[in-house]
Amino acid sequence: GAGVSQSPSNKVTEKGKDVELRCDPISGHTALYWYRQSLGQGLEFLIYFQGNSAPDKSGLPSDRFSAERTGGSVSTLTIQRTQQEDSAVYLCASSLGPAGDYEQYFGPGTRLTVT
Amino acid sequence: SQKIEQNSEALNIQEGKTATLTCNYTNYSPAYLQWYRQDPGRGPVFLLLIRENEKEKRKERLKVTFDTTLKQSLFHITASQPADSATYLCAPGGDSNYQLIWGAGTKLIIKP
Repeated sequence: GAGVSQSPSNKVTEKGKDVELRCDPISGHTALYWYRQSLGQGLEFLIYFQGNSAPDKSGLPSDRFSAERTGGSVSTLTIQRTQQEDSAVYLCASSLGPAGDYEQYFGPGTRLTVT
Repeated sequence: SQKIEQNSEALNIQEGKTATLTCNYTNYSPAYLQWYRQDPGRGPVFLLLIRENEKEKRKERLKVTFDTTLKQSLFHITASQPADSATYLCAPGGDSNYQLIWGAGTKLIIKP
């Protein structure tokens, strides 16, 4: 079946512009994660959605970052007024449930470059 | 704060030998730990999940150990092949039952 998809695969934007990154999780997966990966660094947790529960936004680095998940499926991560330090690969993952019991399935990522 | 350490230097192994990767964690006691493989330009792919009450887990040529006293997990690939070359990520559980704390990964290179 189809895996997790993300779009765009690459995004180059000018500093100060807003960007939207999209994630289509695996159908039926109730859990959805957004991570950020910088070169040589571990994955940085950004936000977690689980079903209809309030998302855990504790990893969002600033109020310029926001995310939503519509209809328990597609998710969009929005970065407003982008800065050069936002340049990274943004990864989305979905899962059947909590990490203690289930694996995470990752998309290919969106490489964001802020010039 | 919680800290995950993996060998930052690439590990070069001769084909056919056993590769052993180390993951150390400090300042907390995770209830479980996951290992993932990541190829360049791709998202991580799940390999194994081990819980604190399990000392060892095996899957085909892969073996993971979880030593809660040493605060360490070891990841072994036996009979290594060039196709096993990738970056391997260690991810112990966090404070919540859904969070993982990710190591920076170890790059493994299997030479023919």
